[in-house]
Amino acid sequence: KNEVEQSPQNLTAQEGEFITINCSYSVGISALHWLQQHPGGGIVSLFMLSSGKKKHGRLIATINIQEKHSSLHITASHPRDSAVYICAAPLWETSGSRLTFGEGTQLTVNP
Amino acid sequence: NAGVTQTPKFRVLKTGQSMTLLCAQDMNHEYMYWYRQDPGMGLRLIHYSVGEGTTAKGEVPDGYNVSRLKKQNFLLGLESAAPSQTSVYFCASVKGPGSYNEQFFGPGTRLTVL
Repeated sequence: KNEVEQSPQNLTAQEGEFITINCSYSVGISALHWLQQHPGGGIVSLFMLSSGKKKHGRLIATINIQEKHSSLHITASHPRDSAVYICAAPLWETSGSRLTFGEGTQLTVNP
Repeated sequence: NAGVTQTPKFRVLKTGQSMTLLCAQDMNHEYMYWYRQDPGMGLRLIHYSVGEGTTAKGEVPDGYNVSRLKKQNFLLGLESAAPSQTSVYFCASVKGPGSYNEQFFGPGTRLTVL
């Protein structure tokens, strides 16, 4: 079982719809990362959060540390939001720290 | 700043050939990572480094070697390529340890092993 699991794996929406992507994790963490992978392949960091909610434009990320669950919401979705969205949890090891990733959610927003 | 760059962007190898992928960052980051991304499996860590001269194994290290002789560069080597190593390889760097430190990713290298 993956330490980080996302749902759904694929999501198709119509432009303007409200979108929710979910992330559950089994490890104890102090912060969760959300990343976006563009159709061209580039990966960028969207959010890092440890509690409550963060907002950046039309993107909102929430987290409940006790329930080990996070959600990424997109309001008024647009075709340019089409991408793979990935959540990741930091893991600490004796040799250093690293991220463990969910499999990603492929989002397609149709005009 | 160029950020994180990877060389080459594409490569086709025959089984048994060797090659080295270069990752370079100009942000003076301590930590660097090599990942592979395969359909349906997400990003998996191959090796990482927490500083110049150090390396550590990740989740899928077999068949790969790495070196971090200079702080800004992290090399990934395939000594004898196999078709199972066909993948997209991403390098990333982080300022240092800490759950809140953002990972900066390179553009990826698409490798095909025939």
